Amino acid sequence: EMQLLESGGGVVQPGGSLRLSCAASGVTFSSYAMSWVRQAPGKGLEWVSGIGGSGGNIKYADSVKGRFTISRDNSKNTLHLQMNSLGVEDTAIYYCVTGITMKDWGQGTLVTVSS
Amino acid sequence: DVVMTQSPLSLPVTLGQPASISCKSSQGLVYSDGSTYLNWFQQRPGQSPRRLIYKVSNRDSGVPDRFSGSGSGTDFTLEISRVEAEDVGIYYCMQATHWPPTFGQGTKVEIK
Repeated sequence: EMQLLESGGGVVQPGGSLRLSCAASGVTFSSYAMSWVRQAPGKGLEWVSGIGGSGGNIKYADSVKGRFTISRDNSKNTLHLQMNSLGVEDTAIYYCVTGITMKDWGQGTLVTVSS
Repeated sequence: DVVMTQSPLSLPVTLGQPASISCKSSQGLVYSDGSTYLNWFQQRPGQSPRRLIYKVSNRDSGVPDRFSGSGSGTDFTLEISRVEAEDVGIYYCMQATHWPPTFGQGTKVEIK
């Protein structure tokens, strides 16, 4: 089982940027595709972006394409999400999860976009 | 995108009684490898989601056997044989057969 710990959330003004990180442990990180899933306050779950184990096969939801960039550093067992041009609709808890099967979840990090 | 439709959205249940949640997909969920990538997640209040069931009917490690998943094609069901207090929360179905992965709206299970 993979343990996942997100960080980097906070309050940012509309149009601003944030970089989320997810530290993984417990398994061979590079063997696993990873994804980001978000949950707006009181709402359901939305897949945001995914990346293959070696860093390829990158995909984005239409709602974030061109604004968010997913990456990973397998030497540091870390997943990242660079978020630019943030809007109020991006306010959510962001979860780091294993691949698209989503077996393992982190505790999430809250991103609040507000003026 | 594949639309996942859950019902009911709210499910009050008496302790010890069964509960059933339906999930219908707008397209069939059989992948080219023959597998059906339909998962169920539980989100207890204030917690991260937790996967309960993968590929329709396979329970994850540590999931009580009162939880079971079934279905095929476009119609899927999560059943709880006897609801316990710890089962309170929101349940989501999710498909990972077609890109992008999509979730149902969630079903809130509460105790009557």
